[in-house]
Amino acid sequence: QLQLQESGPGLVMTSETLSLTCTVSGGSITVNNFYWAWIRLPPGKGLEWLASIYYSGSTYYSPSLKTRVTISVDTSKNRFSLNLSSVTAADTAVYYCARAQYGSGNWWFDPWGQGTLVTVSS
Amino acid sequence: QSVLTQPPSVSGAPGQRVTISCTGSSSNIGAGYDVYWYQQVPGTAPKLLIYVNSNRPSGVPDRFSGSKSGTSASLAITGLQTGDEADYYCQSFDSSLSGSDVVFGGGTKLTVL
Repeated sequence: QLQLQESGPGLVMTSETLSLTCTVSGGSITVNNFYWAWIRLPPGKGLEWLASIYYSGSTYYSPSLKTRVTISVDTSKNRFSLNLSSVTAADTAVYYCARAQYGSGNWWFDPWGQGTLVTVSS
Repeated sequence: QSVLTQPPSVSGAPGQRVTISCTGSSSNIGAGYDVYWYQQVPGTAPKLLIYVNSNRPSGVPDRFSGSKSGTSASLAITGLQTGDEADYYCQSFDSSLSGSDVVFGGGTKLTVL
């Protein structure tokens, strides 16, 4: 059974870079036709997709965050990572990693990790 | 403000039927992009509930059904159970002159009375 687990600091200072890692277990990150994604849930708001990556390194970013987000993959460790630069309080959210699929011009996500709360504070 | 609009909350008694709407526009659902639904039981990870508008992944009871028409989609839950209490999110894709992006609804909290 595929499982994803987020890890990283729960508190990040304003203007610094938020860095999270998602470790995949129960399956390989290099499987064909599956991608890997980061999604967040800010308090009181809806879900927001941040980025997706294929094991080959092809990346896909949300236009609204493209200038601040970097997604990367480490196939040797079966994990992928997220960097979000110049954070503000608006970046406070529960961050989820998920396996993604792409088809008919759309993405969908299953399964998801449990999520990790990241608070941005000055 | 989410691109897809969902009611903040719905409620129903055990055994009843409820529906959750997801309203979009001509640049997302109305443009033909498929709709997906996720269920998030408090304290757990979101779970894919419906894919490609009306399909259930293996293990999802047939009490859950999805539909899509025009610029909107709906999730129906019949035979409500206390275990259905959760937040439900719809998701699609939006493509306009300002760019293309995955879009979610703001979420609907289902309370089983």
